[in-house]
Amino acid sequence: EAQVTQNPRYLITVTGKKLTVTCSQNMNHEYMSWYRQDPGLGLRQIYYSMNVEVTDKGDVPEGYKVSRKEKRNFPLILESPSPNQTSLYFCASTSSGSSYNEQFFGPGTRLTVL
Amino acid sequence: AQSVSQHNHHVILSEAASLELGCNYSYGGTVNLFWYVQYPGQHLQLLLKYFSGDPLVKGIKGFEAEFIKSKFSFNLRKPSVQWSDTAEYFCAVNVPGGGADGLTFGKGTHLIIQP
Repeated sequence: EAQVTQNPRYLITVTGKKLTVTCSQNMNHEYMSWYRQDPGLGLRQIYYSMNVEVTDKGDVPEGYKVSRKEKRNFPLILESPSPNQTSLYFCASTSSGSSYNEQFFGPGTRLTVL
Repeated sequence: AQSVSQHNHHVILSEAASLELGCNYSYGGTVNLFWYVQYPGQHLQLLLKYFSGDPLVKGIKGFEAEFIKSKFSFNLRKPSVQWSDTAEYFCAVNVPGGGADGLTFGKGTHLIIQP
């Protein structure tokens, strides 16, 4: 089954404690991205990756890092989480090409930073 | 950069009522347009999309949307809503060939259908 998986689904942590949210897709997609969803703000892109070893900032990259060492994985790293990073996070992937295709979203990770 | 406006943040309807959710985008060139739905506690699912061709597109679950280029609009419609349509709806836009920008989302419309 084609899917995007994220782990963990729920996480409660404290300020300053480094954490990683994993994202993996089994569709051989080149393009992957991370979004955060906040009430009244919709989804905002944090980082994206066009392919292995190619990453770039989205609209709200501050406080986040990403890496793309393998095509299927795109982890989101919070080196020193702060309460304003409490949010619902979605990973998404799509295939690249001349026409834009549907983005497939993961199930979401609800993060609470105390 | 493009932006997306959804006019209604909260909409409450009774079952069998007709639905229209407004979406406007700001970008002068060619765009790809999407409507996503997020049911309570679930991830985003694609309802429908417009790339080119017939401006009236039909999606899943009886939804449709009309692209009106002159109005920069892509409103979502359904003739008769059901209780199960209660969800959050997001309009999104992407610039073709500009995959680096991903999707720009509106702030969402929370739709509640009363039995």
